[in-house]
Amino acid sequence: SQELTQPPSVSVSPGQTARITCSGDTLAKQYAYWYQQKPGQAPVLLIYNDNERPSGIPQRFSGSSSGTTVTLTISGVQAEAEADYYCQSADSTGTRVVFGGGTRLTVL
Amino acid sequence: EVQLVQSRAEVKKPGESLRISCKASGYSFTNYWIGWVRQMPGKGLEWMGILHPGDSDTIYTPSFQGQVTISADKSINTAYLQWSSLKASDTALYYCARRSEFLGYGMDVWGQGTTVTVSS
Repeated sequence: SQELTQPPSVSVSPGQTARITCSGDTLAKQYAYWYQQKPGQAPVLLIYNDNERPSGIPQRFSGSSSGTTVTLTISGVQAEAEADYYCQSADSTGTRVVFGGGTRLTVL
Repeated sequence: EVQLVQSRAEVKKPGESLRISCKASGYSFTNYWIGWVRQMPGKGLEWMGILHPGDSDTIYTPSFQGQVTISADKSINTAYLQWSSLKASDTALYYCARRSEFLGYGMDVWGQGTTVTVSS
């Protein structure tokens, strides 16, 4: 199955660490990607190939993988991190893509 | 600067046809896959399909197969998403995005989105 499951919401206090999970059978074989989407804006690629950061993405964003679950970790969360976060994976050709349902991160 | 610029918002009636566009600049259009993503009001991202402008190879997600057509005109570096008969349920924000060839299969450049409203 190519479905990806994320928690609908995660809350964290300023300065704390936020962890957002994404689960799916396909993640055991294929890489995961993470995007941040702020209100009224297009998504931005945060993490590729499970744990790599594109140029310009702060080090406080990191990714990890274990079996069929991947995790996005945001360290030292500030108010500006409030956004929706989506995981994504694809088949081996990269043409059959699936997104997780998204997680809204709230900074308390 | 690498960018994707999408066409303006559209308001249509059920049954009408529509084509929205995504114009690429700043890179070799024919070397990168372009995908389309739907975001219904207040909802998450949904993958619709992907096209390679170099050879027009197109892969649709099953739920969108037959509902939309993805195409491109490489002479003007533009990708398209079109409907032959819109439904109210097509009301959504539509994004085009470039699939990176250096960041795995991540979508590294996104258009600003085109809002489509279908209402009688």
